[in-house]
Amino acid sequence: NAGVTQTPKFRILKIGQSMTLQCAQDMNHNYMYWYRQDPGMGLKLIYYSVGAGITDKGEVPNGYNVSRSTTEDFPLRLELAAPSQTSVYFCASSYRGYTEAFFGQGTRLTVV
Amino acid sequence: GESVGLHLPTLSVQEGDNSIINCAYSNSASDYFIWYKQESGKGPQFIIDIRSNMDKRQGQRVTVLLNKTVKHLSLQIAATQPGDSAVYFCAEKENEKLTFGTGTRLTIIP
Repeated sequence: NAGVTQTPKFRILKIGQSMTLQCAQDMNHNYMYWYRQDPGMGLKLIYYSVGAGITDKGEVPNGYNVSRSTTEDFPLRLELAAPSQTSVYFCASSYRGYTEAFFGQGTRLTVV
Repeated sequence: GESVGLHLPTLSVQEGDNSIINCAYSNSASDYFIWYKQESGKGPQFIIDIRSNMDKRQGQRVTVLLNKTVKHLSLQIAATQPGDSAVYFCAEKENEKLTFGTGTRLTIIP
């Protein structure tokens, strides 16, 4: 099993550009999450999903959009990139209930 | 609670000593707690978890303590080793939502 796979690993965007960060899991997990982690800081929840077709805002959703059309995939969309979105983005998934979340290796995004 | 905008606090421990990392959580409705370890350049990795109906849980070299009265969680690492150097985060789960604390950087002194 691959676990949680994020692509790309690195990306540089210009201000105003758009991009989609991909996240896929092969563990048949119901819950999926997107976090951002600024240098030397903790993880902030952007969006999460409890199943296909259902998404909810986290702590810092502004400037981002998500969709969950399948159980496996949970892409994160940045429509108009801003320097404040420079960060490392982590996707995670978990099964229902009292189980831990498994994390991908992250996408390092720089907006210039 | 979490200090937004501040960098991670640091704990320095002599190799072989025990480490205690603390976390104050904010949501009294959280019913599940997890400790994660994050090494440089990697995603967080699960260490140990505890449900809100417990106050202590032990793993291999690690123990988590939960005090719901003061909303406090701690991670104890026995006989700290160089490989334990990392940033440690506590996470709390209320229903489906999983949120993280600020984190603590653990540095091992040889």
